[in-house]
Amino acid sequence: DIQMTQSPSSLSASVGDRVTITCRASQSISSYLNWYQQKPGKAPKLLIYAASSLQSGVPSRFSGSGSGTDFTLTISSLQPEDFATYYCQQSYSTPPWVTFGPGTKVDIK
Amino acid sequence: EVQLVESGGGLVKPGGSLRLSCAASGFTFSNAWMSWVRQAPGKGLEWVGRIKSKTDGGTTDYAAPVKGRFTISRDDSKNTLYLQMNSLKTEDTAVYYCTTDVYTATDYYMDVWGKGTTVTVSS
Repeated sequence: DIQMTQSPSSLSASVGDRVTITCRASQSISSYLNWYQQKPGKAPKLLIYAASSLQSGVPSRFSGSGSGTDFTLTISSLQPEDFATYYCQQSYSTPPWVTFGPGTKVDIK
Repeated sequence: EVQLVESGGGLVKPGGSLRLSCAASGFTFSNAWMSWVRQAPGKGLEWVGRIKSKTDGGTTDYAAPVKGRFTISRDDSKNTLYLQMNSLKTEDTAVYYCTTDVYTATDYYMDVWGKGTTVTVSS
């Protein structure tokens, strides 16, 4: 099975900071990589699909890049509402068809 | 507006059964591929399984930890998705979300999520 890792597992940042989260796959997954945001007590929300496509309604400060095994989610200028946990998800391998990364928690410095 | 509302969660003893429902509205449910995703307390997201639309075969796929114990089904006349959970284990304790899925030639992802329903397996 393809294993997904994320780094860092958590980070502290200030409003206005540029934040980068990395997701790595244990083997190439082309661009079959998606990003979700989850706030405490809430359902996850799709941010980025196909590695770099911004979901409709998501602010443009969010961007995704990468292909193969290494991917990044960047928040260009962190806003108060961005403090959350971020998960990557691959859909390349079948089975198990869908695998999530362990998550990266972004909190206030 | 696309809306997914899960129900049916609760407390069940190990070895017991439970059926979750997900009522869908705001889109053509019969055309949708749907998934269940769960999240154990304080843990990350875990995909449980999916069901394709009937026009795409209506088949199901499951994650290894639930295969043979959980069954996903759908009633397109009622716009409702189901998750039948049998032989429940304490490690099945989680919030269960239903999702609408998007599949393309180059990707597969969970587009819209319900608010979730909580399942607790404990004696």
